[in-house]
Amino acid sequence: EPEVTQTPSHQVTQMGQEVILRCVPISNHLYFYWYRQILGQKVEFLVSFYNNEISEKSEIFDDQFSVERPDGSNFTLKIRSTKLEDSAMYFCASNLKTGGYEQYFGPGTRLTVT
Amino acid sequence: GEDVEQSLFLSVREGDSSVINCTYTDSSSTYLYWYKQEPGAGLQLLTYIFSNMDMKQDQRLTVLLNKKDKHLSLRIADTQTGDSAIYFCAGRDSGYALNFGKGTSLLVTP
Repeated sequence: EPEVTQTPSHQVTQMGQEVILRCVPISNHLYFYWYRQILGQKVEFLVSFYNNEISEKSEIFDDQFSVERPDGSNFTLKIRSTKLEDSAMYFCASNLKTGGYEQYFGPGTRLTVT
Repeated sequence: GEDVEQSLFLSVREGDSSVINCTYTDSSSTYLYWYKQEPGAGLQLLTYIFSNMDMKQDQRLTVLLNKKDKHLSLRIADTQTGDSAIYFCAGRDSGYALNFGKGTSLLVTP
């Protein structure tokens, strides 16, 4: 069964460094998402992406964040200058179409900022 | 956006039924979801229900929706130890984002 994959599973970085989190959505899906879950808190929406542009973003997704689909398979989240409070589990998700209801999530990347 | 509230913890005995409850504030929620998260794993979509439905059954899972009270529940029949996990309720309106609750930690004891 097709699934969303994410790399790396765990990333440790120093405050102020740039990180890129990578995702490979399910191959025929058209809508892509990033969510994050700070330890002990709920899963929060960051951004959705369709047709090579951002379709919706939350207040969390400020100028420090960017997303890109550099090729036909990868979807990336870049944090330009990480802060301690960026430490969280970051989940990528995809679905076939917005009316396709199901968002399928990857296993997540745990980002630790020291 | 909307707020989604869940009780934080539920403990049941193996073989019993589990009922996990969720309330939401936004009446424009058109789709409501249940996700399962096992330790160290991602979010697994269990089931979803449209706002024009009252009930959906899928094997051991039954979802009930009370639109008047904005209340959603997930019933797991014959709960097994493998069902121990965190269960998230989420709602979506006409936009793209899923709004999650904080999750209910289900512990199934032998």
